[in-house]
Amino acid sequence: GENVEQHPSTLSVQEGDSAVIKCTYSDSASNYFPWYKQELGKRPQLIIDIRSNVGEKKDQRIAVTLNKTAKHFSLHITETQPEDSAVYFCAASRGGSGAGSYQLTFGKGTKLSVIP
Amino acid sequence: DAGITQSPRYKITETGRQVTLMCHQTWSHSYMFWYRQDLGHGLRLIYYSAAADITDKGEVPDGYVVSRSKTENFPLTLESATRSQTSVYFCASRGPSTEAFFGQGTRLTVV
Repeated sequence: GENVEQHPSTLSVQEGDSAVIKCTYSDSASNYFPWYKQELGKRPQLIIDIRSNVGEKKDQRIAVTLNKTAKHFSLHITETQPEDSAVYFCAASRGGSGAGSYQLTFGKGTKLSVIP
Repeated sequence: DAGITQSPRYKITETGRQVTLMCHQTWSHSYMFWYRQDLGHGLRLIYYSAAADITDKGEVPDGYVVSRSKTENFPLTLESATRSQTSVYFCASRGPSTEAFFGQGTRLTVV
């Protein structure tokens, strides 16, 4: 099955600096890569996603890049703010049919702390 | 209201008891999932379902049972609860071209 590795497990940045979180995946059939943000005591919520036919996607201060050849994707947050402090999860999924289709396999998470 | 809801939000049970966690979604999403979240392990898939009456094991299925007689409901049963099943449980649903939406979570403590 799919295996997703996420690094680093913890990340501290000064307010205004950039933060980068990296993930690798193992299944070359994976074609959908979402990023979720989870605040303390809350449910995970999607912040951005990318599909395998796109190399980069941006939404205001957040961007995701995908390198299919290397099976690697990254989350970039610019001009970080204290409210960006949370746990971030990457995930991978494939479509098609058969066992495992459309299920999301998650990385272990990155706890981001933005220091004011 | 449209959405995905879990119940109960909090549950304390004794070792050996049977416990059922409920999950209900109103979007008619085909795919539903149960994850458990433990510190240091992230979100691990317990069971998932591709449609009514179609379920399959995930990464950590031992000790759990699921059913899906209706598209909108996906209950998770712990047949004989153990302390190692103390965790936060999240239900999620998605369609083939949609993001996955998570329920609020159920915090289960087995004493």
